[in-house]
Amino acid sequence: DIQMTQSPSFLSASVGDRVTINCKASQNINKYLNWYQQKLGEAPKLLIYNTNNLQTGIPSRFSGSGSGTDYTLTISSLQPEDVATYFCLQHSSRPNTFGAGTKLELK
Amino acid sequence: EVQLQESGPGLVKPSQSLSLTCSVTGYSITSNYWGWIRKFPGNKMEWMGYISYSGSTSYNPSLKSRISITRDTSKNQFFLQLNSVTTEDTATYYCARELPGYNYGFDYWGQGVMVTVSS
Repeated sequence: DIQMTQSPSFLSASVGDRVTINCKASQNINKYLNWYQQKLGEAPKLLIYNTNNLQTGIPSRFSGSGSGTDYTLTISSLQPEDVATYFCLQHSSRPNTFGAGTKLELK
Repeated sequence: EVQLQESGPGLVKPSQSLSLTCSVTGYSITSNYWGWIRKFPGNKMEWMGYISYSGSTSYNPSLKSRISITRDTSKNQFFLQLNSVTTEDTATYYCARELPGYNYGFDYWGQGVMVTVSS
């Protein structure tokens, strides 16, 4: 199975900050990487698919980049409603595997 | 709008079977792939398996022969059965739809149902 190492586990930032979250795969996943946001008690929401494609309805402050084994989710200007847990999913091969999540809070 | 809702018992005894239902509205389960995912205490997530638009299935080898995913197209529901559960199966269970195509990850998820395995 492909292992996904996500960092950091916890992140505290201020409104307006640029925030980056990383996922590193144990092997090349050819950009088959999605990012999700999950707020407490809610269903996970797809933000980015295939590394850098913004899902419909997601604000443009969210973006994704990466290739090979290293991928990044960026929030360009943190908003209060972005407080949530973020996780990555590789879908390069089955079984699909997930990052451990990053809990983002406001400073 | 596509919506998914998990349902089932919140408490299961060790060695028994865990059975969950995913009810889908706004989209037919005879299209796309439909999966089960679980999130353990401590937040590790595991892809469990899927059932396809045609009814074919694929499972995580880690679950060996304990898992079965089936469906009822007349009710637009699909189901998870996990046999011989232990306390290690305590988790929040999610159902989700895969993006159109094959193996593109999930777009719509349910809110999840917490299942505790305990005597």
